[in-house]
Amino acid sequence: DAKTTQPNSMESNEEEPVHLPCNHSTISGTDYIHWYRQLPSQGPEYVIHGLTSNVNNRMASLAIAEDRKSSTLILHRATLRDAAVYYCILSLLGGLNFGNEKLTFGTGTRLTIIP
Amino acid sequence: EAGVAQSPRYKIIEKRQSVAFWCNPISGHATLYWYQQILGQGPKLLIQFQNNGVVDDSQLPKDRFSAERLKGVDSTLKIQPAKLEDSAVYLCASSSRDKNEKLFFGSGTQLSVL
Repeated sequence: DAKTTQPNSMESNEEEPVHLPCNHSTISGTDYIHWYRQLPSQGPEYVIHGLTSNVNNRMASLAIAEDRKSSTLILHRATLRDAAVYYCILSLLGGLNFGNEKLTFGTGTRLTIIP
Repeated sequence: EAGVAQSPRYKIIEKRQSVAFWCNPISGHATLYWYQQILGQGPKLLIQFQNNGVVDDSQLPKDRFSAERLKGVDSTLKIQPAKLEDSAVYLCASSSRDKNEKLFFGSGTQLSVL
């Protein structure tokens, strides 16, 4: 599995935007970029994923570099509920070979929101 | 839509005892995963099922861990005998053919081995 690199921790003020970086210099052409987050005492939850183009949903935006070697998860207005560990993962999930894909988690970025 | 159900929520056992965890995935989800998450680390995949067949169990310690998925629905993960280093949260996740881009996780079972 291609590897991702994320900062161990980040802090942000409440109600301000948060940019969570992820480096994946060995990404292959068929790897999707997935983001999950894990709130305290809960299982991970899906945030967003993309292949080449920037993506938006109700939770966040995903900005993907043109060479696809890095990406940024953007939380537009952080709330206390966004305090979690955020995982950036490369996976074939979302591609055509359904059933054999999986997510390999790293240690993620622990995001602290300051009131 | 009901989420992934796991039980028990917590379990405390002594080393060398046996323990079993149960998972009920989201209805209709063909793929089921068991992950182990040790404190301070990200989840590690133990085993992946597609319907009732095993897709990947390369990281399952087969001398003590076993898992089955009866009729392609519920799944049970067993540890026998448990070791101190098995203390972790055991997470179950499922995904569907229609939405194969995302996994849905349960809240996990927190196991403490004393």
